[in-house]
Amino acid sequence: QKEVEQNSGPLSVPEGAIASLNCTYSDRGSQSFFWYRQYSGKSPELIMFIYSNGDKEDGRFTAQLNKASQYVSLLIRDSQPSDSATYLCAVTPNYGGSQGNLIFGKGTKLSVKP
Amino acid sequence: SAVISQKPSRDICQRGTSLTIQCQVDSQVTMMFWYRQQPGQSLTLIATANQGSEATYESGFVIDKFPISRPNLTFSTLTVSNMSPEDSSIYLCSVQVGRSTDTQYFGPGTRLTVL
Repeated sequence: QKEVEQNSGPLSVPEGAIASLNCTYSDRGSQSFFWYRQYSGKSPELIMFIYSNGDKEDGRFTAQLNKASQYVSLLIRDSQPSDSATYLCAVTPNYGGSQGNLIFGKGTKLSVKP
Repeated sequence: SAVISQKPSRDICQRGTSLTIQCQVDSQVTMMFWYRQQPGQSLTLIATANQGSEATYESGFVIDKFPISRPNLTFSTLTVSNMSPEDSSIYLCSVQVGRSTDTQYFGPGTRLTVL
């Protein structure tokens, strides 16, 4: 059973702080890693994707991937109340070239307090 | 990315009936998918909608319950058949744009309540 694990939270941080969201996955052969943001009652919105070990930065967001530890994280710098949402980690498992099946974690609920 | 629309946005249905959900994309896309998000849960892939052939279903989902059509590269439908309260969920279509990436973008979703 291929799994993606996330702490459900809620994770509460003060405005302006760094929010750190973590995700582990069980399939060592996983190829691609995604972070989605989902506001209550809305559909998931892609924030970032990362394919290679290391860090990838996009504005206030940094994704970090460590394939040896099967760990991917998302850092949000200068957190804003508008960042309050559920953050979903998703992984593309290694199906020998077959793409499409994103395995989602259950999400971490982030609350940024003004 | 792509602009994705779904119809209806929400519906309340009676047990035993069927509902067809439509997904329209503003450009031709290689792959389209249907997901379910049950209350308080994460997303689960139902099937891959294949253009011109039968959909590919994930374990636990069958064609008789969730028939899918994809007549062209911009449109797909998902039918939830013989509904029960357990089918109350948000149904989302997603698309993968281009063959060089497996990044998926989601439609706004259809919130289904079965009484």
